[in-house]
Amino acid sequence: GEDVEQSLFLSVREGDSSVINCTYTDSSSTYLYWYKQEPGAGLQLLTYIFSNMDMKQDQRLTVLLNKKDKHLSLRIADTQTGDSAIYFCAEKGGADGLTFGKGTHLIIQP
Amino acid sequence: DTAVSQTPKYLVTQMGNDKSIKCEQNLGHDTMYWYKQDSKKFLKIMFSYNNKELIINETVPNRFSPKSPDKAHLNLHINSLELGDSAVYFCASSPPPAGGGYTFGSGTRLTVV
Repeated sequence: GEDVEQSLFLSVREGDSSVINCTYTDSSSTYLYWYKQEPGAGLQLLTYIFSNMDMKQDQRLTVLLNKKDKHLSLRIADTQTGDSAIYFCAEKGGADGLTFGKGTHLIIQP
Repeated sequence: DTAVSQTPKYLVTQMGNDKSIKCEQNLGHDTMYWYKQDSKKFLKIMFSYNNKELIINETVPNRFSPKSPDKAHLNLHINSLELGDSAVYFCASSPPPAGGGYTFGSGTRLTVV
């Protein structure tokens, strides 16, 4: 079955880079996504990458995809307090809909 | 204009009641979804609808029934509410083919007492 794994917590200092990692099992994944959820809020699409790409950059965000190892990462440069949130990795495989990881809580230390 | 809107934002109700959550999208997307987020923030898909056809129905109790009056709406009706139904329910939609960005609503926090 489909499975998406990510660490539950990541703590970084303000100004440092944050790297959130994700692994998935479905080799038929076509798109992979990163969503951000702030406390009490909905899911905000940050970025997504097609499975035939290995990197995508958008301002402070860099997504790396290693399709061979089924590993996806999200790097946030110059992490700010406003980046504090839960980050969800998700994949779209053969079936419709998204399979989500359990979310990584990003904690920013001053 | 809100792309995917759900109402109500909060819903508190007693066990045994029947309730509905409404969802509307103005993006012209073909497919709409309902997701459940539990108290540990885990997200699981419940249903998806494509052109009024149910194409995913995960292991969800039959007390939950999605209803889609048209392509822009997917409502969630829940019968005989139980304490374990307390969660945040998210509506979402996606463009055809079902790739690219999925857009989520802001969620409905359901509390069953």
